Amino acid sequence: GAVVSQHPSRVICKSGTSVKIECRSLDFQATTMFWYRQFPKQSLMLMATSNEGSKATYEQGVEKDKFLINHASLTLSTLTVTSAHPEDSSFYICSVSTGPAYEQYFGPGTRLTVT
Amino acid sequence: AQSVSQHNHHVILSEAASLELGCNYSYGGTVNLFWYVQYPGQHLQLLLKYFSGDPLVKGIKGFEAEFIKSKFSFNLRKPSVQWSDTAEYFCAVNTRGNEKLTFGTGTRLTIIP
Repeated sequence: GAVVSQHPSRVICKSGTSVKIECRSLDFQATTMFWYRQFPKQSLMLMATSNEGSKATYEQGVEKDKFLINHASLTLSTLTVTSAHPEDSSFYICSVSTGPAYEQYFGPGTRLTVT
Repeated sequence: AQSVSQHNHHVILSEAASLELGCNYSYGGTVNLFWYVQYPGQHLQLLLKYFSGDPLVKGIKGFEAEFIKSKFSFNLRKPSVQWSDTAEYFCAVNTRGNEKLTFGTGTRLTIIP
């Protein structure tokens, strides 16, 4: 399977500031990456599909102006949480898909805390 | 749109007990099915997948799952669990030609030594 890294693993920021999270596919060229949000003891909620070289596709209810996604290369996608608020505090996870079943391989996640 | 149900929210077993976690999906077309595991403090890992062929699939760490199309089910099984199997287990589905995964709500498995 693919190996995916995320940086940073944890970040604390003040309300109103912006935070950038990086997702890297280390051994696989990913034309598509996915961004999820996971609340404590809950399942993963797909936020958006990141497409290399084009605009991301956001799920219903996800504010595209708040969660900016850039997928500038086949190995890097970034998620920027703009004007963060405490309710944006969460665990953000990215993934890449590969294989005939499009199975996804996940990064270790980024814990965002907005104070 | 497809959906996935995991009815067992929290399962507690003793070591060496047998395990079966339920997963049902709703979608009328062809699906790919997955089980993922999230150990405490770790990232999601793929346990096994069903794409085509034999509906009984074997994954890592002694896990297996059976796709029963008529029941829209993909239950996860392990004949004898270990303390190290304590984790959160997620069932997921996508449809042919669509990379997006839909996850179930997850089942927390606690193994008592």
